[in-house]
Amino acid sequence: AQKVTQAQTEISVVEKEDVTLDCVYETRDTTYYLFWYKQPPSGELVFLIRRNSFDEQNEISGRYSWNFQKSTSSFNFTITASQVVDSAVYFCALSEGGDSNYQLIWGAGTKLIIKP
Amino acid sequence: EAGVVQSPRYKIIEKKQPVAFWCNPISGHNTLYWYRQNLGQGPELLIRYENEEAVDDSQLPKDRFSAERLKGVDSTLKIQPAELGDSAVYLCASSLDLPGPHRGGANVLTFGAGSRLTVL
Repeated sequence: AQKVTQAQTEISVVEKEDVTLDCVYETRDTTYYLFWYKQPPSGELVFLIRRNSFDEQNEISGRYSWNFQKSTSSFNFTITASQVVDSAVYFCALSEGGDSNYQLIWGAGTKLIIKP
Repeated sequence: EAGVVQSPRYKIIEKKQPVAFWCNPISGHNTLYWYRQNLGQGPELLIRYENEEAVDDSQLPKDRFSAERLKGVDSTLKIQPAELGDSAVYLCASSLDLPGPHRGGANVLTFGAGSRLTVL
């Protein structure tokens, strides 16, 4: 069965600290996609990254980086030098890549609080 | 370019009253989704449209919820009558279907700001 676990319900750090948000997934498919979305207080979910199961390269985008490890079924997200604007709820999600499979399994989210 | 537009942003109603939410997706996006998000949880899919056809409504409580997407563009989600447990944020999203064998699973969704419903 598909499942996404974000064990950290809430994380609070002081500005400029680095922070890692964990995501562990379960799937029996060999082809799947993993996503991270950000939901700021305004409520709109914003796409951050998509990674397919065949691409284990880590990715860096500015202060954001993602570590995909199939061996541990994890897709963790790190923010370097955090800023107050990074405060939001972050969701990890999984979809299996079968033809016309639109089912997106969401984690419960991690609320990130960045204190000034 | 305008994003996904939803209205109203907030709605407070008494139980048993009807309520409707409207969504205008990204221009050209053929797939439209309605999600419900309860406090502290991830979104749950209610219904998905491909153009004007509802292709997945398995999670839609059909006794009180209905949706339509006339002409394959904007969409309306209705609840009648509303119950206390319907209090949630209703999110609309759209995506452009990608061709190929992984159609669907790789789609990136663009979300609206949501409609927060409070049922008293």
